[in-house]
Amino acid sequence: DTGVSQNPRHKITKRGQNVTFRCDPISEHNRLYWYRQTLGQGPEFLTYFQNEAQLEKSRLLSDRFSAERPKGSFSTLEIQRTEQGDSAMYLCASSPPRDLTEAFFGQGTRLTVV
Amino acid sequence: AQSVAQPEDQVKVAEGNPLTVKCTYSVSGNPYLFWYVQYPNRGLQFLLKYITGDNLVKGSYGFEAEFNKSQTSFHLKKPSALVSDSALYFCAVSPLGADKLIFGTGTRLQVFP
Repeated sequence: DTGVSQNPRHKITKRGQNVTFRCDPISEHNRLYWYRQTLGQGPEFLTYFQNEAQLEKSRLLSDRFSAERPKGSFSTLEIQRTEQGDSAMYLCASSPPRDLTEAFFGQGTRLTVV
Repeated sequence: AQSVAQPEDQVKVAEGNPLTVKCTYSVSGNPYLFWYVQYPNRGLQFLLKYITGDNLVKGSYGFEAEFNKSQTSFHLKKPSALVSDSALYFCAVSPLGADKLIFGTGTRLQVFP
């Protein structure tokens, strides 16, 4: 499967713990995006990378959140000191350099903070 | 503030009937417009997009969307609905020069036999 891959698919964690999610974009896609989707809402933009450079961060991304894309390939999203309000689906998407107008989404990582 | 509105939480249609899922947007300039579909336990799937040109855009699975600049709308349509079209549909915009999507809250389409 050459689509966007996200791991893990599900994560249950206790409040206060740190969690890390991974996203593997489609090969040769130089742009990578993170979104968050809560129940009954559409996805909300968190941040995006062009190659290894993080070019934009939403105000939703508090200082407990950090994202990296060290080699311009896969990306990680870490949440420190998780709170119940962090419970959501975290979506990753990538887009190719020649067509910025179409993003391909992964299946997401569902985080539950208890 | 830039936003996308999907005024209907749910749309129900009978199989074989035409369907419309509504979307309006509030974004300055000439944004790119998109429709995505989300099936249970699957990622968001791209349906169609409007960049420029013909106001009627055709996409995957027989769907089409009509761009209306004066009404700032981008309604999704299909001439004949299938039960398998039942899913959650999201309208999204990408403001010109911005490399991100702003999504609506979604509309659940239910097609009954």
